[in-house]
Amino acid sequence: EDKVVQSPLSLVVHEGDTVTLNCSYEVTNFRSLLWYKQEKKAPTFLFMLTSSGIEKKSGRLSSILDKKELFSILNITATQTGDSAVYLCALGIYNQGGKLIFGQGTELSVKP
Amino acid sequence: NAGVTQTPKFQVLKTGQSMTLQCAQDMNHNSMYWYRQDPGMGLRLIYYSASEGTTDKGEVPNGYNVSRLNKREFSLRLESAAPSQTSVYFCASSETGGPNYGYTFGSGTRLTVV
Repeated sequence: EDKVVQSPLSLVVHEGDTVTLNCSYEVTNFRSLLWYKQEKKAPTFLFMLTSSGIEKKSGRLSSILDKKELFSILNITATQTGDSAVYLCALGIYNQGGKLIFGQGTELSVKP
Repeated sequence: NAGVTQTPKFQVLKTGQSMTLQCAQDMNHNSMYWYRQDPGMGLRLIYYSASEGTTDKGEVPNGYNVSRLNKREFSLRLESAAPSQTSVYFCASSETGGPNYGYTFGSGTRLTVV
């Protein structure tokens, strides 16, 4: 069965800290792994990863995929209170009509 | 540029009532999806439509029906609402197979069944 598991489920840090969010998966026909940020409304797209070992970076956020060990990490450096959100990992699968399978999410709270 | 538009944004139903959640996209995307989100459970797929004229069940289809009215519109119907269907519902669309595989989400519908 295709599935996505995120850890930790929740995390509290202080501004300036660096955090690492984890996403492990099981899949029959991998297409892509995506990260989303959700702040009390619709998720917004962060990254899409398809190849192992190639880091995607946007400002203080970065992500990398390991297709051998079946996991991805999302790093946030120098965290700010505006980074407080739920971070969702999602798995794209070939020949499944474009549907995504989401993990439970990691709720990040950044304290001043 | 509206993207994905969902209506209504909020709804309270009594057990046994029916309602339809509407979703429309203006990006000419082929694929559309309905998800529900419950605390601590991420997003779970209810139904999806890979292309106009097709619909398929997702992870949690029981109690729901869908209609892909045309390429733009994909509606979700609750025939007899139950308290277990209290949730936040998101519609999304994507360009299946395109270079940007990510979804565009609607703003969500918060549904409470009492």
